Amino acid sequence: DGGITQSPKYLFRKEGQNVTLSCEQNLNHDAMYWYRQDPGQGLRLIYYSQIVNDFQKGDIAEGYSVSREKKESFPLTVTSAQKNPTAFYLCASRNRGSTEAFFGQGTRLTVV
Amino acid sequence: AQSVTQLDSQVPVFEEAPVELRCNYSSSVSVYLFWYVQYPNQGLQLLLKYLSGSTLVKGINGFEAEFNKSQTSFHLRKPSVHISDTAEYFCAVSGVDAGNMLTFGGGTRLMVKP
Repeated sequence: DGGITQSPKYLFRKEGQNVTLSCEQNLNHDAMYWYRQDPGQGLRLIYYSQIVNDFQKGDIAEGYSVSREKKESFPLTVTSAQKNPTAFYLCASRNRGSTEAFFGQGTRLTVV
Repeated sequence: AQSVTQLDSQVPVFEEAPVELRCNYSSSVSVYLFWYVQYPNQGLQLLLKYLSGSTLVKGINGFEAEFNKSQTSFHLRKPSVHISDTAEYFCAVSGVDAGNMLTFGGGTRLMVKP
């Protein structure tokens, strides 16, 4: 089945460590997005990529990094510079010219 | 730039009662409007969307929404809710130009009680 796969579903990290969240899609979509979700704040855009080897910062990019080496993959690294990384992270993709975004099942990151 | 305000963070309602979840937006350009539903620890699923044409939009699971340009609103309604409708609902907006990002509201938690 076509879709977006995020892994792992749950992730624990020690303070001061970098961690990478995986997002893979087999929908052949051009654009991919990372959102952070905190209670009562909705979804906030971290980074997005419209094409391979290109990406732009969203509203809350500080402390995060991404890469887009392949069309189907858009990993997000949460660095030690992110002061409050505990959150639910959602990856999404959308095809050029389409209005609908498809979401993965999310990764819940907890800093311990 | 766009912004979305969901006026109620939580809406408790009894089963089989009607419900309205409110959404207001602001934008300097023409927009598309969306409602998504999120079940616990899941991703978002599209309920319905307004692109153009009829201002009353019907979606999945018996939900509908009405676009009101003069009031910049896009309220979501269901005439009779079920326990299974308990979830978080997000209103979102994007500019009509290709590549524009989705901007989300803060979400409304619908709690259906027996």
